Amino acid sequence: GQNIDQPTEMTATEGAIVQINCTYQTSGFNGLFWYQQHAGEAPTFLSYNVLDGLEEKGRFSSFLSRSKGYSYLLLKELQMKDSASYLCAVMDSNYQLIWGAGTKLIIKP
Amino acid sequence: NAGVTQTPKFRVLKTGQSMTLLCAQDMNHEYMYWYRQDPGMGLRLIHYSVGEGTTAKGEVPDGYNVSRLKKQNFLLGLESAAPSQTSVYFCASSETGLSGAQPQHFGDGTRLSIL
Repeated sequence: GQNIDQPTEMTATEGAIVQINCTYQTSGFNGLFWYQQHAGEAPTFLSYNVLDGLEEKGRFSSFLSRSKGYSYLLLKELQMKDSASYLCAVMDSNYQLIWGAGTKLIIKP
Repeated sequence: NAGVTQTPKFRVLKTGQSMTLLCAQDMNHEYMYWYRQDPGMGLRLIHYSVGEGTTAKGEVPDGYNVSRLKKQNFLLGLESAAPSQTSVYFCASSETGLSGAQPQHFGDGTRLSIL
């Protein structure tokens, strides 16, 4: 079966750095997406990785290792507004997105 | 700058009632999707469409029907609502994947309770 694993919840301090991990087992691979979802709101696109390595976008970076079936999202200089759930999703061989259950990130002052 | 618009935002139904959830996008996207989101689970694909007049089943299609009569609209129907269909429903759209995977853009969701 297809599976996406990510931690259920993480806590970090304002101004610090946090890394959210995602491991996956899917039928084929056509890229990995990270989305942010604030409580009660829609998911919004953060990043996309299809090749191994690090993609940087301001305070957010995403890393992919296809051989290990592993990705992480790195958030730097954490702000209170970063409190949200972070969703990892893999596009399989049928170009369907397989979603993880999400990691709820709690930022403390 | 509407993007993806879902109506209604909230609804309470009784078991056995029917209803239609509406999704409209103004980005001229070919692909549209209906998901449900339940606590502790990832988004699950109900049905999707790769173009006007075409629909296909996703991971959890039972109890739902869809129609894509116009490119900009994607309708999700519940013929006979059941308590197990209590969920948050998200509609999304994306460009075609001909030049690689494209991100999906989501509506604000419909919170549906079945009593």
